[in-house]
Parts: sequence; C-alpha cells; structure tokens
Amino acid sequence: AQKVTQAQTEISVVEKEDVTLDCVYETRDTTYYLFWYKQPPSGELVFLIRRNSFDEQNEISGRYSWNFQKSTSSFNFTITASQVVDSAVYFCALSEAADYKLSFGAGTTVTVRA
Amino acid sequence: EAGVAQSPRYKIIEKRQSVAFWCNPISGHATLYWYQQILGQGPKLLIQFQNNGVVDDSQLPKDRFSAERLKGVDSTLKIQPAKLEDSAVYLCASSPHPGTSETQYFGPGTRLLVL
Repeated sequence: AQKVTQAQTEISVVEKEDVTLDCVYETRDTTYYLFWYKQPPSGELVFLIRRNSFDEQNEISGRYSWNFQKSTSSFNFTITASQVVDSAVYFCALSEAADYKLSFGAGTTVTVRA
Repeated sequence: EAGVAQSPRYKIIEKRQSVAFWCNPISGHATLYWYQQILGQGPKLLIQFQNNGVVDDSQLPKDRFSAERLKGVDSTLKIQPAKLEDSAVYLCASSPHPGTSETQYFGPGTRLLVL
C-alpha cells in the first residue's frame, strides 16, 4: 500500500508566485517522521526538513514553509515568491518507528518560469 | 564536511553485461543505503548496511544484484547480468546512527542506461 501520496505530478508557475505541494501519508504508528527532499536536475536528493509526529508546529525557513496536520495526515510544503532555482522534483517521505525505512512519494515536478 | 560520493555518474551498457557502482558515505556514518530510482518515481530501497553488516536486503533482486560494504566504510553495488528494466538512477545515502530515524543524506547518484 502506498504510504505517501503526492497527488500533484507537475506544477508550473511564473517567478514570484507562491506554490504549495501536497503530501498525504498513511501510517498506523504513533511515532513517525516526515521529510521533504528536493531533487534538482543534477540528480542529488537534497534534504529540506524533518518533522516528528509529536511536533505539529508549522515551520518557516526563508521562503520555505511547512504545514503539518495530523488530523488530515498531511504535511504540505509551500514555496513563497518562487524563483527559477526552485525548479526541481520535490519528494515527501515517511519513516515509521517500526523499521525506520524511508518511503517516498512519487514526487512533484515544479517548474518556475522567468 | 564532504558529502556522499558516488561514481561513476553515468554508465551505459548493453543488456547481459555487468556493472558496478561505488559509494563513499559521509565520514563516520554507520548506516549506508542503496536506492533505485526509476524515471518518474520516488527512490526505492534496495539494501541497508549497518557498519559492514546487512540490515535489510528484502527488496534486492538477489539473482542479479549484489552489494558489499567491506570494512564498514565504502560500498559497491553490482548488477550481473543487467536487464533493460535496470535502467534507473542508483542513489547511495548514509545516516549517522543505526536503528534511528535520523536524516539520510544522499549522493549525486549514478544514472544507468541499459540498451
């Protein structure tokens, strides 16, 4: 069963627009961890954020912000005032305390046009 | 601090040939992972090492794939013989401590094309 669902396959925006990436997860564990990674065209997966299941505070880091809602099993990611350098594939991932394996979603391709 | 190193970055081979990929994790990281990422999909775990021992290889196609991590540092992933469906990016990742949910840090990957 798919543990992480990223319903948006591709998103295209014009520079300076905001873009929100959806992530819905499924787990029976009470302790789990959620991650976002960025994969630019170079191919390397770049770690962006890690959040544990007991911390529902939203987080902001520069132009990036994350909205974690356990009630809807969602961990959404917003890029504010997007830039061309934000163009990449973004992956949401889940790690459960049962085995700590990372399960990735299928990814969302973000294209920011100048 | 140096990141995860992988080589080669690109490889093109014909089906039934053999290929090997190398990974050097971040210094001091006990856990090393190999992932396969097929175009348009998220990475899928092939094998996990803790130091020089295998923790999980349940998703590794053992009839053709093998991996080792001698001395608990760098690692090699081999495919023999390769099939067309092995065309993918092979990502190596490492994390500091075993048995935790610590962040995994990824290398640049090796893009394999099997013709």
